[in-house]
Amino acid sequence: QVQLVESGGGVVQPGGSLRLSCSASGFTFSNYDMHWVRQAPGKGLQWVAYIKFDGSKKDFADSVRGRFTVSRDNSKNILYLEMSSLRRDDTAMFYCVKVGGLGSFHVWGQGTLVTVSP
Amino acid sequence: VVLTQSPGTLSLSPGERATLSCRASQTIAGSYLAWYQQKPGQAPRLLIYGASTRATGVTDRFSGSGSGTDFTLTISRLEPEDFAVYYCQHYVTSPYTFGQGTKLEIK
Repeated sequence: QVQLVESGGGVVQPGGSLRLSCSASGFTFSNYDMHWVRQAPGKGLQWVAYIKFDGSKKDFADSVRGRFTVSRDNSKNILYLEMSSLRRDDTAMFYCVKVGGLGSFHVWGQGTLVTVSP
Repeated sequence: VVLTQSPGTLSLSPGERATLSCRASQTIAGSYLAWYQQKPGQAPRLLIYGASTRATGVTDRFSGSGSGTDFTLTISRLEPEDFAVYYCQHYVTSPYTFGQGTKLEIK
């Protein structure tokens, strides 16, 4: 079945960097657009980044543009989120998401927690 | 697009009908509106997309309706497992905003 497994979260100091990975299985990864969505503790959902199936188009939320970048390795079925200049308000659970019908956020991973703290 | 969900919290009993609202600050073209369910400690789960199409495996107790700026998620007969937080979201174009959520709790 379709599975997304995030990894790479952890505790990082303000101003630091971190790279998240999302390993995909159970579907043809190279055919699907993907997103990253985050959720601060006790808060709602916030879209973070988008990448087209072939990596030719990327888009970011204003709050992370210029600090985060998204990429994918279709030969390894892995989605990445590279985060730099991290701030305390970047503390959140980060989910990778597979796009589904009509572009909906169809399948979600279990998330990886990023904590930005001195 | 700003999505405003109401009510913030809905207290109902199993067997009752739940009606959740999502209002958009501008027309959502093509009804590119989805609903998600999130239980504590779990990732969100897609319930409805295209405003009214149930995702695979979603029980027909869940139904979505609406167009333009006003959308509704209805749960016909609440089961214990339905008590959770529900989010609406538009996915027309970025930024793909979510509503703030409606918490459905057991009365």
